[in-house]
Amino acid sequence: DAKTTQPPSMDCAEGRAANLPCNHSTISGNEYVYWYRQIHSQGPQYIIHGLKNNETNEMASLIITEDRKSSTLILPHATLRDTAVYYCIVRVSSGSARQLTFGSGTQLTVLP
Amino acid sequence: GAVVSQHPSWVICKSGTSVKIECRSLDFQATTMFWYRQFPKQSLMLMATSNEGSKATYEQGVEKDKFLINHASLTLSTLTVTSAHPEDSSFYICSARATSGRGTGELFFGEGSRLTVL
Repeated sequence: DAKTTQPPSMDCAEGRAANLPCNHSTISGNEYVYWYRQIHSQGPQYIIHGLKNNETNEMASLIITEDRKSSTLILPHATLRDTAVYYCIVRVSSGSARQLTFGSGTQLTVLP
Repeated sequence: GAVVSQHPSWVICKSGTSVKIECRSLDFQATTMFWYRQFPKQSLMLMATSNEGSKATYEQGVEKDKFLINHASLTLSTLTVTSAHPEDSSFYICSARATSGRGTGELFFGEGSRLTVL
């Protein structure tokens, strides 16, 4: 699976949009971009994933650049509960039995 | 989304004893489950891949005789830490890949089990 690079930490004011970047310049054509988050002392929680097109669900939006070498996870209205480590992971399609490989992630702190 | 449950959520044991952690997929079947370990302020590290009805596949550096994995049914995998020592104290997390129903093909994570060995 392609390696990803994320900033180690970010702060965001409560109620504002949180934009978390991820670089994945070696991504292959059949690899998806996945985002998970881990709140302290809990298991990772799935947020969203995409291949080429931008995606949106009830939790977040995922913006993938046209060359697919980077992406941004957007939490439109961050709350204190969104404070967590956010992991950007690139892996082959969901049908694969391969595991997720976690990098260091970004520690997002939402400030009151 | 699909639910994966781990039990116990935390356990404290004496050095030299064995501890079993269960991972259950509650509303879906999972032929493959993964076990991760996470030390404080570090990321998740894959320990092994658990396949229903067959032997687990361990990552390099993980002792298979120390971390016994059993995946006897499509909804249950267990991790037994044998002869635990303080250095085994960690946060153990399982994930399961849904093979049917909603979320087929996706990976879902348990809440984690915190092991403290005295």
